[in-house]
Amino acid sequence: GDSVTQMEGPVTLSEEAFLTINCTYTATGYPSLFWYVQYPGEGLQLLLKATKADDKGSNKGFEATYRKETTSFHLEKGSVQVSDSAVYFCALNLKAAGNKLTFGGGTRVLVKP
Amino acid sequence: GAVVSQHPSRVICKSGTSVKIECRSLDFQATTMFWYRQFPKQSLMLMATSNEGSKATYEQGVEKDKFLINHASLTLSTLTVTSAHPEDSSFYICSATGLSFTDTQYFGPGTRLTVL
Repeated sequence: GDSVTQMEGPVTLSEEAFLTINCTYTATGYPSLFWYVQYPGEGLQLLLKATKADDKGSNKGFEATYRKETTSFHLEKGSVQVSDSAVYFCALNLKAAGNKLTFGGGTRVLVKP
Repeated sequence: GAVVSQHPSRVICKSGTSVKIECRSLDFQATTMFWYRQFPKQSLMLMATSNEGSKATYEQGVEKDKFLINHASLTLSTLTVTSAHPEDSSFYICSATGLSFTDTQYFGPGTRLTVL
């Protein structure tokens, strides 16, 4: 079946450090890929998305590129802030699966000043 | 982006009572709404999918008589937890897709349910 694997956290960084969260997927079709962010006690916010190979999604300094050859969608940010502390979820969507999202387990990121 | 609201944000109830949670799309028509449950420090678990005017489709293992879902309009879906028990305490989150973005789910802020 379809699945998403992302690196386990927590990931602890200092402010202005470089952040990478790895995400790989397995899908029977051609999925759309997403990164969502969840702040404590809140719902999920769409961070970025990509719908086809080599697409790069970007938002708020975060980037991720849809790599079909490696079935990956790694999230990166060049210089993190304390306010980036949150849980990040990688997810895929297959239209053939009724547009249901398949989530990774989430990666908790803690940025220290 | 599209905005989804949930009400209430927190609710505490006694065991055996029923609780209704509302999910609204504020600036778009939600063709499909999804209900999730999230346990502490875990990922989201899909409970059911609902389309306006149709019966909800429940995921395996989710009791449809316990978690009643109604999607009466293109902007409102409700989840009713019937005869709630402490094990139903959880964080419930809804999401919605629209006609022009069927592959992208926008999420509500969540409802924290505590059953005493």
